[in-house]
Amino acid sequence: SQQGEEDPQALSIQEGENATMNCSYKTSINNLQWYRQNSGRGLVHLILIRSNEREKHSGRLRVTLDTSKKSSSLLITASRAADTASYFCATDGRGGGADGLTFGKGTHLIIQP
Amino acid sequence: GAGVSQTPSNKVTEKGKYVELRCDPISGHTALYWYRQSLGQGPEFLIYFQGTGAADDSGLPNDRFFAVRPEGSVSTLKIQRTERGDSAVYLCASSPGRGGQRFFGPGTRLTVT
Repeated sequence: SQQGEEDPQALSIQEGENATMNCSYKTSINNLQWYRQNSGRGLVHLILIRSNEREKHSGRLRVTLDTSKKSSSLLITASRAADTASYFCATDGRGGGADGLTFGKGTHLIIQP
Repeated sequence: GAGVSQTPSNKVTEKGKYVELRCDPISGHTALYWYRQSLGQGPEFLIYFQGTGAADDSGLPNDRFFAVRPEGSVSTLKIQRTERGDSAVYLCASSPGRGGQRFFGPGTRLTVT
């Protein structure tokens, strides 16, 4: 089963604009992670935010976490054509199995040049 | 250093055949994970190894699926009597210990005809 749900499912913006993706989840977590995937193959880890953190930055990425609403957002500023990819949130849960990392269905982001 | 590698990158097999998919994790990573990703979906957890032992195999869909990691490094995912529904991209990931950031391989695209 998939816990995280990304919103929107697809997003198309102009190069240079900011892109915001949201993720909602259902159970308590240890941390939440965002990954990027190009062309349906390997995933690349972008950022991890722990359950006691509210905001984290990495380069052009900004992630927020609201554990009371069980939601997270990923903001990509000044988007580039190379940011075109699918973006997944994944929750590292407290109560799940030994693995604990559960992915959503992803947001497909297209950056128009 | 080298990342996670998976072989083969693509595998086409006939329904009913047996297949083996191989994963070479990052050297020194004790945790290894297998995921399966269908088109338009996020990765779904299959099995997690800590060292040589399967710590959590709750994601394996049925007894046709089996995985081993005999020496605590390379892992092989084995699928018996393949079915068309097994067609997907099989992703392997590793991490230094349990939890935290996962490092993904490029995946093996399995097509069952």
